Amino acid sequence: EAGVAQSPRYKIIEKRQSVAFWCNPISGHATLYWYQQILGQGPKLLIQFQNNGVVDDSQLPKDRFSAERLKGVDSTLKIQPAKLEDSAVYLCASSLDGGLGTQYFGPGTRLLVL
Amino acid sequence: AQKITQTQPGMFVQEKEAVTLDCTYDTSDPSYGLFWYKQPSSGEMIFLIYQGSYDQQNATEGRYSLNFQKARKSANLVISASQLGDSAMYFCAMIGVFRWTGTASKLTFGTGTRLQVTL
Repeated sequence: EAGVAQSPRYKIIEKRQSVAFWCNPISGHATLYWYQQILGQGPKLLIQFQNNGVVDDSQLPKDRFSAERLKGVDSTLKIQPAKLEDSAVYLCASSLDGGLGTQYFGPGTRLLVL
Repeated sequence: AQKITQTQPGMFVQEKEAVTLDCTYDTSDPSYGLFWYKQPSSGEMIFLIYQGSYDQQNATEGRYSLNFQKARKSANLVISASQLGDSAMYFCAMIGVFRWTGTASKLTFGTGTRLQVTL
């Protein structure tokens, strides 16, 4: 069974530029999550989708971050404009149906904002 | 709200020895799940083991076991027969189920423990 796929793996941009990340969850997983992991910390949830609906985006900085999951499968996370403090690893995860179900993570995208 | 505490920023263990990584948690949710993840330097977060709050037995997965002590609110990870490939960051995490709504909370992570396996 294929795992969670993410691209790109690495991205370097200058501040005020925009960037987008893509995630393809495990086949059949209804719930998709985006996390931000700053160096030296545990991951922090940015947004959770159940199918193509948003369940929780309370920690998403909505003035610059946006995410969508239009057909209930793939998802994109966008940052526009990027700030220096957005430098982090962006992890996508999926689970079968949310709740207490195990979340499986992708390899992450390392973003460096200069 | 949930809180996960991992008090060991770093640990060393010799190859083939067992090691225990500590995790304590705090929650008022009646039902919750506890997870351990491994994060190698490559960055991916690898699921290791899960313990439900109502599970009677401690969870085991191969060389990983979870020492769950509910009254003490601890969920320590035990790795037996350490291997060089076990060198990584290890995160303890939990999800709770809200008492009144039955909905699940966010997955909350601790700050992690860096394990180094030596020859």
